[in-house]
Amino acid sequence: AQKVTQAQTEISVVEKEDVTLDCVYETRDTTYYLFWYKQPPSGELVFLIRRNSFDEQNEISGRYSWNFQKSTSSFNFTITASQVVDSAVYFCALSEASRGSTLGRLYFGRGTQLTVWP
Amino acid sequence: EAGVTQSPTHLIKTRGQQATLRCSPISGHTSVYWYQQALGLGLQFLLWYDEGEERNRGNFPPRFSGRQFPNYSSELNVNALELEDSALYLCASSLRVAKNIQYFGAGTRLSVL
Repeated sequence: AQKVTQAQTEISVVEKEDVTLDCVYETRDTTYYLFWYKQPPSGELVFLIRRNSFDEQNEISGRYSWNFQKSTSSFNFTITASQVVDSAVYFCALSEASRGSTLGRLYFGRGTQLTVWP
Repeated sequence: EAGVTQSPTHLIKTRGQQATLRCSPISGHTSVYWYQQALGLGLQFLLWYDEGEERNRGNFPPRFSGRQFPNYSSELNVNALELEDSALYLCASSLRVAKNIQYFGAGTRLSVL
């Protein structure tokens, strides 16, 4: 079964603090993709990153970094020096590449509401 | 370049009515996806269309249906509306291959009274 768990429902930090959002996934597929999306109050899901199951290299993009560990089925997201504009709901998602019945769909976690206070 | 556009932004209906939601994909994208984001239920996959055909369907009743037009835009129809259909409906598009990144629109907020 496919499943994405974001155990942190809400996180509050003060500006300039670092914050890590956790994501744990389950899949029986050997080929899969992991994603992070950001949903600001406007509602639109904004794509942040995609990782495939064969690439465990960590990635950094500005203040954002991602840590993918297959051994623990985790794909965590860290924001360094958080800013008020980072306040949003962040979703982790999984898609499977090789199973016909699940093709095309993203399985989302429940999301983590991040609030950054000035 | 225009992103995924959805209309209307808000839609208010009463129980038993039908709702039609529209989506225009990013230029060059042939796949369109629909998701429901209801309070307490998270984001759930509804439908995937590619090249005018329904390719996959989530666990929703048949009164949720849709279609994709030759220009790759899409409609989601919800018949016999129920109160629990109240949700944000998000449309996404991607290049033809399903593993490609899905880019989302701002959604249609459907309220069923």
